[in-house]
Amino acid sequence: DARVTQTPRHKVTEMGQEVTMRCQPILGHNTVFWYRQTMMQGLELLAYFRNRAPLDDSGMPKDRFSAEMPDATLATLKIQPSEPRDSAVYFCASGTGGSGNTIYFGEGSWLTVV
Amino acid sequence: GQQVMQIPQYQHVQEGEDFTTYCNSSTTLSNIQWYKQRPGGHPVFLIQLVKSGEVKKQKRLTFQFGEAKKNSSLHITATQTTDVGTYFCAGPERTDKLIFGTGTRLQVFP
Repeated sequence: DARVTQTPRHKVTEMGQEVTMRCQPILGHNTVFWYRQTMMQGLELLAYFRNRAPLDDSGMPKDRFSAEMPDATLATLKIQPSEPRDSAVYFCASGTGGSGNTIYFGEGSWLTVV
Repeated sequence: GQQVMQIPQYQHVQEGEDFTTYCNSSTTLSNIQWYKQRPGGHPVFLIQLVKSGEVKKQKRLTFQFGEAKKNSSLHITATQTTDVGTYFCAGPERTDKLIFGTGTRLQVFP
C-alpha cells in the first residue's frame, strides 16, 4: 500500500536547535508539498516541488526555514534556529502533478519547540 | 495570491442532523477537491469536481461545484459520529499548486 512516509513523527526540541524533517513521497509522484498546520492558520503551504525543482516557497520564512529534494525519494524541511512559534504539525504530501493533482498526505511530524 | 475561505469555521450538530460547509475562492478554479481530516490524523482525499455546476454523491455526502467555478459545498445528510473531523476544500493555483481552504470542523453529538 503506497504511502507518504514522514520522520520523525514527534519531536520536542529546545529553542535555537536545528530541526530536520524528512519525507519519502509515493514512488512515481513528481510533486511534493510541505504544509504547516496550527490551530490558527489551518493548512499553510510552505513549499512546493515539481520534479525535484522548487517552484514556490513564498509561504516559508526564508531566514530560518529551508526545503530541499536531494533526490526523488527524499524531501527535507529544515528549521535553523527553531523558535517556540514553529511548534506545529508539518505535513508532507505528494501527487502526480497536473491541474487535477490529487495529493496524498503523510501522517505528519508533530514539532514542539520549548 | 489565491485565497480559499470556508464557512462555518465550526459546526456542532446532533447525530442525525444535516451539515453543510461552503467554500469560496477568490479566483476561478479549474477543479475543486475535498479532503477530510479526522482528529489527530492527516487530510485524506474525498473527491474532485471539475465541471461547472457538477454534483457528485458519496453515500450521505453530496458535493457541488458552482456555476462560476469559484465556490463549492459539501452537504452531509443525517450525520453520524464517524463524520467527526475537519473538512477542507482545496483548489489549484496556476497548475498544480494546491491551496487549501480554512476548513470546517464538525463535531457530532450522539
